[in-house]
Amino acid sequence: DTGVSQDPRHKITKRGQNVTFRCDPISEHNRLYWYRQTLGQGPEFLTYFQNEAQLEKSRLLSDRFSAERPKGSFSTLEIQRTEQGDSAMYLCASSSGTAVETQYFGPGTRLLVL
Amino acid sequence: AQKITQTQPGMFVQEKEAVTLDCTYDTSDPSYGLFWYKQPSSGEMIFLIYQGSYDQQNATEGRYSLNFQKARKSANLVISASQLGDSAMYFCAMREGQGGSYIPTFGRGTSLIVHP
Repeated sequence: DTGVSQDPRHKITKRGQNVTFRCDPISEHNRLYWYRQTLGQGPEFLTYFQNEAQLEKSRLLSDRFSAERPKGSFSTLEIQRTEQGDSAMYLCASSSGTAVETQYFGPGTRLLVL
Repeated sequence: AQKITQTQPGMFVQEKEAVTLDCTYDTSDPSYGLFWYKQPSSGEMIFLIYQGSYDQQNATEGRYSLNFQKARKSANLVISASQLGDSAMYFCAMREGQGGSYIPTFGRGTSLIVHP
């Protein structure tokens, strides 16, 4: 069990550029979640997948945000036309879908938009 | 209304002493789960402990215990014998309902500093 991994760990981009983050969940986990965390706040839910199905996406922050999990394994989160307000930590978590539903988090991707 | 409230922005404790981090929650759902996570400065959220709303006993995991008072809607984390490595942000979270929605809500966190 290698845990949840995220790539890249840090990303600096210029306003208006597109960025894509990758998350690899724990291998036997069928649920995958994306969160955003800004300074001084707890994680804010964005979207989640059960296998390849995206079951909740209404909380994505704007239509510039999109996520995919094409084969039910890894997932990508894309932000188009980045804005300075998108600067944050983006966290990915996975869970096994049991009744307890404990989520295990990756190390996060820190995004800085200049 | 806030679903999860952590009223202590910062806490200080001496090494080897116990510390309690407060968490109150708000829900009308009879079925819910409460979680505590630790976030060191490196950024990764580390799962510590879980308490289900129907669990009769307080959850314990090593030096961590959850003081669950259902009528008061509180789920305080108790860390016994604090260690320097316990210095971190601590987040309380709640997931409501069974099946369907698995979306937890997180509090704003409490920063714990352990002094030698």
